[in-house]
Amino acid sequence: GENVEQHPSTLSVQEGDSAVIKCTYSDSASNYFPWYKQELGKRPQLIIDIRSNVGEKKDQRIAVTLNKTAKHFSLHITETQPEDSAVYFCAARAGANNLFFGTGTRLTVIP
Amino acid sequence: ETGVTQSPTHLIKTRGQQVTLRCSSQSGHNTVSWYQQALGQGPQFIFQYYREEENGRGNFPPRFSGLQFPNYSSELNVNALELDDSALYLCASSSNAGTSGGPPDFGPGTRLLVL
Repeated sequence: GENVEQHPSTLSVQEGDSAVIKCTYSDSASNYFPWYKQELGKRPQLIIDIRSNVGEKKDQRIAVTLNKTAKHFSLHITETQPEDSAVYFCAARAGANNLFFGTGTRLTVIP
Repeated sequence: ETGVTQSPTHLIKTRGQQVTLRCSSQSGHNTVSWYQQALGQGPQFIFQYYREEENGRGNFPPRFSGLQFPNYSSELNVNALELDDSALYLCASSSNAGTSGGPPDFGPGTRLLVL
């Protein structure tokens, strides 16, 4: 089955700096890669996603890049703000079935 | 705000007991997936239901079972509860087993504590 690895497990940045979280996946059939933000005690919230026919996608301060050959994808958050502090999860999906999640990155933005 | 709802929000059980968790999918969605999220971990896929049939299962024992009803709501049943079953159980709904392209919408989860 699919195996998604995520790094780093924790990340602290100064407010205004950029944050980068990286994930790798093992199943070359995976074709959909969402990123979720989860605040303490709440549900995962989709923040951005990318499909395998696209190399990069941007939404305001958030961007995701995908390298299919290397089987890795990354989340980039620019101009970080304290409210960006949360746990971020990457995930991968092959075909019609379930999502495989990474182990999460706890991002702390220091004011 | 997502239309996926789950009940109950919190639950405390003892080892060996049985539990039923419920999920109402978002309007227009016919697929429900269940995930287990242990503390400090990413969600782990339990199984998916599409049009009232199980449509994929993760690495969970048979004491984890489910149902989907004609209105596409779903139940997750766990028998013979173990301490390690303590987790946040998330329900996610989507359309057509995920083939319609949209991401699944997660419910708020049920936090289960097994003592």
